[in-house]
Amino acid sequence: ETGVTQSPTHLIKTRGQQVTLRCSSQSGHNTVSWYQQALGQGPQFIFQYYREEENGRGNFPPRFSGLQFPNYSSELNVNALELDDSALYLCASSSRTGLETQYFGPGTRLLVL
Amino acid sequence: GDSVTQMEGPVTLSEEAFLTINCTYTATGYPSLFWYVQYPGEGLQLLLKATKADDKGSNKGFEATYRKETTSFHLEKGSVQVSDSAVYFCALSDPKGAQKLVFGQGTRLTINP
Repeated sequence: ETGVTQSPTHLIKTRGQQVTLRCSSQSGHNTVSWYQQALGQGPQFIFQYYREEENGRGNFPPRFSGLQFPNYSSELNVNALELDDSALYLCASSSRTGLETQYFGPGTRLLVL
Repeated sequence: GDSVTQMEGPVTLSEEAFLTINCTYTATGYPSLFWYVQYPGEGLQLLLKATKADDKGSNKGFEATYRKETTSFHLEKGSVQVSDSAVYFCALSDPKGAQKLVFGQGTRLTINP
């Protein structure tokens, strides 16, 4: 069984640029959630995708957007990058059956200069 | 809204000491409760979970009991090892809706030999 994978592992961008992060969900999982973890903080929920539709969103501006593909992999896109977007971005996958646990990938560390 | 509060760190213990990391929560429904662990440079790994009141989650010598009357889910281990050094996150998930995870701020644990 393949776990959750994310790419790239590290990324450096400058303010105003756009970035795309990618996530492959664990085999058999149809739900993907994205979280932002600032340095020294707990992860914050960005949004969740279920069957290619957004299914819940946290307190993040519209410049944070996403996609889920038919194979349940997902992308997180961030436009007009700001310095405060520097963080570890975590993807988690789960099966949508009510009480299923979310399993996390290793994350993508984004630095905005 | 839902929230999780963890005891502030960092926590430093000697090997074989007893560990307690306090966690309390505020939620409108009946959440599931989790402890995740994050080793340096890695993503989050599920340590244990409990889905209803009085349930005890356990794994790798760690235990936590879902206490609805005190809205708590304290993490305990009887004898810690150097390899337990990591950041520990308490989290809750409302099984309804988007099932997003709400995390505490994390507690950094260092075990000295």
